[in-house]
Amino acid sequence: KNEVEQSPQNLTAQEGEFITINCSYSVGISALHWLQQHPGGGIVSLFMLSSGKKKHGRLIATINIQEKHSSLHITASHPRDSAVYICAATNAGGTSYGKLTFGQGTILTVHP
Amino acid sequence: KAGVTQTPRYLIKTRGQQVTLSCSPISGHRSVSWYQQTPGQGLQFLFEYFSETQRNKGNFPGRFSGRQFSNSRSEMNVSTLELGDSALYLCASSLVLGVDTQYFGPGTRLTVL
Repeated sequence: KNEVEQSPQNLTAQEGEFITINCSYSVGISALHWLQQHPGGGIVSLFMLSSGKKKHGRLIATINIQEKHSSLHITASHPRDSAVYICAATNAGGTSYGKLTFGQGTILTVHP
Repeated sequence: KAGVTQTPRYLIKTRGQQVTLSCSPISGHRSVSWYQQTPGQGLQFLFEYFSETQRNKGNFPGRFSGRQFSNSRSEMNVSTLELGDSALYLCASSLVLGVDTQYFGPGTRLTVL
């Protein structure tokens, strides 16, 4: 079992729909990152959070430390949101402090 | 402020050769991390450097090595290349070590024939 699990692996939506991507982790973390990668493109950091909720435009990220679970929500989805979304956990301690462990990614396709 | 730059962007090598990839972090950033991305394994952590010292290392063989210079620029080296080393190699920089937003470069696409 991977230390960081994402679901779903593939997600198809119609423009305007509300989208949720989930991330569960089994390691102790100091932060959880949400990343976006467009086809052929580089990776952009969307959020880094260690508690609660953050919002940026149509994107919202939440984390529940007790349940070791985070969600990324996209409101009013648009075809330009089509990308791979990756969650990554920053290890909390020991010799792996600061090391990023990645989920396998969620491929999101938004149709017009 | 310029972003993270990586050179070269594309590279083709043959088995047994060695390769050196370069990463220039955002000005003022002292931490540089390297990652390997493949279709099968996804993103995997290689190593992290801060103030010219390797602070963390992933589960990769000793053929993978790196270093960081006093200006925070970093290089990674892969010796005795194998077909399985074909991947996108990404570096990311951050201000501090550990919990900090990472800024990724565009990557170097390495193909081993």
